[in-house]
Amino acid sequence: AQSVSQHNHHVILSEAASLELGCNYSYGGTVNLFWYVQYPGQHLQLLLKYFSGDPLVKGIKGFEAEFIKSKFSFNLRKPSVQWSDTAEYFCAVNVAGAGSYQLTFGKGTKLSVIP
Amino acid sequence: GAVVSQHPSRVICKSGTSVKIECRSLDFQATTMFWYRQFPKKSLMLMATSNEGSKATYEQGVEKDKFLINHASLTLSTLTVTSAHPEDSSFYICSARTSGRADEQYFGPGTRLTVT
Repeated sequence: AQSVSQHNHHVILSEAASLELGCNYSYGGTVNLFWYVQYPGQHLQLLLKYFSGDPLVKGIKGFEAEFIKSKFSFNLRKPSVQWSDTAEYFCAVNVAGAGSYQLTFGKGTKLSVIP
Repeated sequence: GAVVSQHPSRVICKSGTSVKIECRSLDFQATTMFWYRQFPKKSLMLMATSNEGSKATYEQGVEKDKFLINHASLTLSTLTVTSAHPEDSSFYICSARTSGRADEQYFGPGTRLTVT
């Protein structure tokens, strides 16, 4: 079975600082990778996803993530965070081509951006 | 587009009673719906997968007789927590996928269940 680990439980940054949130997965086969964001009081929203092709994926709101297959990683980045990026971020994977579409989530990283 | 709603958003019930949570896809047909449970400071845990018109598939360790899932139509799935206990108190989230965008799931806002 696949698993996902997110290294940071809580990250605190000042506005304009750069962000990188780590995500590693364990699974021997091909996976699809996702980052979701949950703003306070809101539902999970898809930030970006990787299925195949260019390992550098750009998502909404200036976020990007890079899939490094050799490291089983899919880290999320943003060059300059804003206060409105304060949220919880979840990395998730599913097994490509399995037909089940079930997502396995990491434990999430809470990001607090200080104005 | 791709909006999923849940009702109720919060519910408080007494121990031993049952409570039903609805999950609706508002602007698309959901061929598959998923039910998750989210614990404080922990990740979303998949409870079950339901396909319209068929029985739900439960994850290991999830009691199917306690958490009844019905997916009667392409826009509605319900989760009924039967004979609720305080340890069932949690945040329950549903998601839905459509066959048109196979590997994306759209999430509902969640339901906070408190069992007293």
